[in-house]
Amino acid sequence: DVKVTQSSRYLVKRTGEKVFLECVQDMDHENMFWYRQDPGLGLRLIYFSYDVKMKEKGDIPEGYSVSREKKERFSLILESASTNQTSMYLCASSFPGSGPLLFFGSGTQLSVL
Amino acid sequence: AQSVSQHNHHVILSEAASLELGCNYSYGGTVNLFWYVQYPGQHLQLLLKYFSGDPLVKGIKGFEAEFIKSKFSFNLRKPSVQWSDTAEYFCAVIFTGGGNKLTFGTGTQLKVEL
Repeated sequence: DVKVTQSSRYLVKRTGEKVFLECVQDMDHENMFWYRQDPGLGLRLIYFSYDVKMKEKGDIPEGYSVSREKKERFSLILESASTNQTSMYLCASSFPGSGPLLFFGSGTQLSVL
Repeated sequence: AQSVSQHNHHVILSEAASLELGCNYSYGGTVNLFWYVQYPGQHLQLLLKYFSGDPLVKGIKGFEAEFIKSKFSFNLRKPSVQWSDTAEYFCAVIFTGGGNKLTFGTGTQLKVEL
C-alpha cells in the first residue's frame, strides 16, 4: 500500500512564526503536491513538484514556499504565518506510470493564532 | 479559467434513497475525471475515475458516474445509499496540458440518516 505521511496531525502556531509542514511518501513517486482544504472552497493547489529540487506554483502559492531536497520528502513552508493560513493542509503523491492518480496523506490541521 | 462546479453543497438523504451528485466543468478539451470521498476523520480516497472509453464508470462501494461530454458533466450516482456513505464527496478534473494537476470542486457534504 502507498503511504503518504504528514508529520503532524494538529499544529498551533502564532502569527509571524515560520512554519514547516513535512510530507514523506514511501513509494518512490516523482510527483508530489500540497493542497489546502477549506470548508466551501474544496481543495486548492498550493505548490507541486515533478522531481527533486524542482517546484511549480499551483493556484494559490502566495505566502508559501516549498522544498524538495529528496525524492521522498516535500516540505511546505509558511515564511510568516498569518491567521488566513489557518486551514487543513493535504499532501499527495503520484507517479507518472499510474496515470494522474493521487494518493493523499491524512492532513495537518494548522491553526494560526 | 478552467473550473469545476459542484452545485449541491449539502445533501441529506434517508437510507435506501437514490443519490445523484452533480459535477460540471468548464473546458472544451480532453479531460480526465475523478470522484474522491473523504469519510469523517479519514484521508481522501479515490471512488472512481474516467480517462477514456465507456462513459459509464463503475467504482467502489456501488458508486458509478456517467461522463456526458456534451453537458460537460460527470455526475456521481448510487441507487441505494447507506448510513456509512455519510462523507464529503469531491469531483476533480485534470485538463489537457495541465500535467497531473487536479482541479477540485468545492465538495458536497452528504449525510445519510437512518
